[in-house]
Amino acid sequence: DAKTTQPPSMDCAEGRAANLPCNHSTISGNEYVYWYRQIHSQGPQYIIHGLKNNETNEMASLIITEDRKSSTLILPHATLRDTAVYYCIVSNNNNDMRFGAGTRLTVKP
Amino acid sequence: GAVVSQHPSWVICKSGTSVKIECRSLDFQATTMFWYRQFPKQSLMLMATSNEGSKATYEQGVEKDKFLINHASLTLSTLTVTSAHPEDSSFYICSARYGAASTDTQYFGPGTRLTVL
Repeated sequence: DAKTTQPPSMDCAEGRAANLPCNHSTISGNEYVYWYRQIHSQGPQYIIHGLKNNETNEMASLIITEDRKSSTLILPHATLRDTAVYYCIVSNNNNDMRFGAGTRLTVKP
Repeated sequence: GAVVSQHPSWVICKSGTSVKIECRSLDFQATTMFWYRQFPKQSLMLMATSNEGSKATYEQGVEKDKFLINHASLTLSTLTVTSAHPEDSSFYICSARYGAASTDTQYFGPGTRLTVL
């Protein structure tokens, strides 16, 4: 059973912010939200994760709603190299990473 | 950062032969490693969880006698596909858990593409 719901695809203009939504309405109190991305024919790349507070690192920002039922991954200045499938995963102990279908982000020039 | 490697990156074998894939954590020790399989245009499917020094835990529907997993050290896990058949052709990806706290993260290897003729 999918724990998260993501749009199947999104487009973004190069240089603009890419905002990728994720719904996780059944998330439990001890579950974290993880984001990974997979560029074609490569292993998934870790991006960011959080519990309830917003998080930011050199790659992206993660905004989690107050009720924790949804989150948004923000790539502040998308480049062509950010074209990938982005996966939102909820997990309580990092041992149970279940990948859904993800969102295919296409960054266009 | 935490780096995970896999070897080989691709392999072609004949039906009925066995193939071994290695997964190494290069700059950290990983008590837990994971094996995934990905078919074309599909998402990753968890096959098994590998704990150092103990037997692997397989997901429902994954044949443990066909996909042999050995995690003999804190930096190496191997997946052996025994008596491979064309339907086993897939992209096999490993990951390693970095750290022991619940907030720690899995880092993934680059994957191994297996083609069985």
